[in-house]
Amino acid sequence: NAGVMQNPRHLVRRRGQEARLRCSPMKGHSHVYWYRQLPEEGLKFMVYLQKENIIDESGMPKERFSAEFPKEGPSILRIQQVVRGDSAAYFCASSQDIPSTDTQYFGPGTRLTVL
Amino acid sequence: KNQVEQSPQSLIILEGKNCTLQCNYTVSPFSNLRWYKQDTGRGPVSLTIMTFSENTKSNGRYTATLDADTKQSSLHITASQLSDSASYICVVSSGGGGSQGNLIFGKGTKLSVKP
Repeated sequence: NAGVMQNPRHLVRRRGQEARLRCSPMKGHSHVYWYRQLPEEGLKFMVYLQKENIIDESGMPKERFSAEFPKEGPSILRIQQVVRGDSAAYFCASSQDIPSTDTQYFGPGTRLTVL
Repeated sequence: KNQVEQSPQSLIILEGKNCTLQCNYTVSPFSNLRWYKQDTGRGPVSLTIMTFSENTKSNGRYTATLDADTKQSSLHITASQLSDSASYICVVSSGGGGSQGNLIFGKGTKLSVKP
């Protein structure tokens, strides 16, 4: 059973470009979470999705950021018109059950660098 | 306000020594507490998850304790190895449903094990 997969592992964008980060949850997991981690900082929750639905997006910036988890295919975190402050590691996690009771399994992360 | 505070912020120990990391929380209601290990450049990996009724849980050389009365948890590492060098993150769930907002992350303790 493959773990949570994220791609790309490293992504370089220039200011103003779009960044698309992909996450494939563990097999059998229908709950997906996105986190952002700045250097030397803790993980910050962004959004929680369950197949085709956004359950909690309280950690998402109001502009430029969006996330989806379609019926088929990976979850996508999309950042439009990136700025230097978006440079960070973005982690995806998945769980089989609701987050309050079930362990989340994390992917290896995508390191976004905005030039 | 729900918060998770970890101490120390960073710690350096010699290989073979034991150490204890602390986690204090002010999360209510309480559902469970988790410890994660995050190697540099990798995603967090779950070590333990404890519910209200559990005082101690072990995973190899890692032993987590929980005092729900004082709202404190510790992670004890026995006979440290170089591979234990990582950040250790305490996460508390306040339960109450599926909202990810119920998971509160600490900033982590950065442990360095020196030969």
